[in-house]
Amino acid sequence: GAVVSQHPSWVICKSGTSVKIECRSLDFQATTMFWYRQFPKQSLMLMATSNEGSKATYEQGVEKDKFLINHASLTLSTLTVTSAHPEDSSFYICSAAKTSRDTQYFGPGTRLTVL
Amino acid sequence: AQSVTQLDSQVPVFEEAPVELRCNYSSSVSVYLFWYVQYPNQGLQLLLKYLSGSTLVESINGFEAEFNKSQTSFHLRKPSVHISDTAEYFCAVRVIVAGGTSYGKLTFGQGTILTVHP
Repeated sequence: GAVVSQHPSWVICKSGTSVKIECRSLDFQATTMFWYRQFPKQSLMLMATSNEGSKATYEQGVEKDKFLINHASLTLSTLTVTSAHPEDSSFYICSAAKTSRDTQYFGPGTRLTVL
Repeated sequence: AQSVTQLDSQVPVFEEAPVELRCNYSSSVSVYLFWYVQYPNQGLQLLLKYLSGSTLVESINGFEAEFNKSQTSFHLRKPSVHISDTAEYFCAVRVIVAGGTSYGKLTFGQGTILTVHP
């Protein structure tokens, strides 16, 4: 149990376009989902926390207008990278939890490459 | 603010040898402690966690970690590793707020790549 999927697993896009990444909890309802970014050979950095039905809470330094997060249902959260630039190329990972205090279950990640 | 330091970015060992992956943390408040493992092309999986009680916690596949409050450490150990243990291991902390509840934000270390050679 406690499986989290991400789609797509990798995506290549042109600079200036927008990319949407989906995070789904497949066998449980997640009131809280987290979005992380991982640079090569570095740790996961939390970008934002989203609670179902409410606005996401962004970490300091993360542009909320650039990284749009929607958590419209208890099994789906989306991250949209708007007007992507090469510096946005990274590995994006989501996690989901039944509540904010419960164990987080991680998705396999999405590799974004912006040309 | 919290921080987590994993002193070794890579640890190569031979099969059946013991291994220790080091993790130190810094926090002005109490924290819960976690170890996650990431196998190639997979998502992070929870390996073990310390919330309270016995400072020595174990996983189902033979790993153990000991919480040392005075040294602010949570090192991960296994007495005999297998080829299948090859993966990247992340140490993480989560803040305990007033009343014993825990805010969900995880702070991760930089990761340690464990490579087990035959």
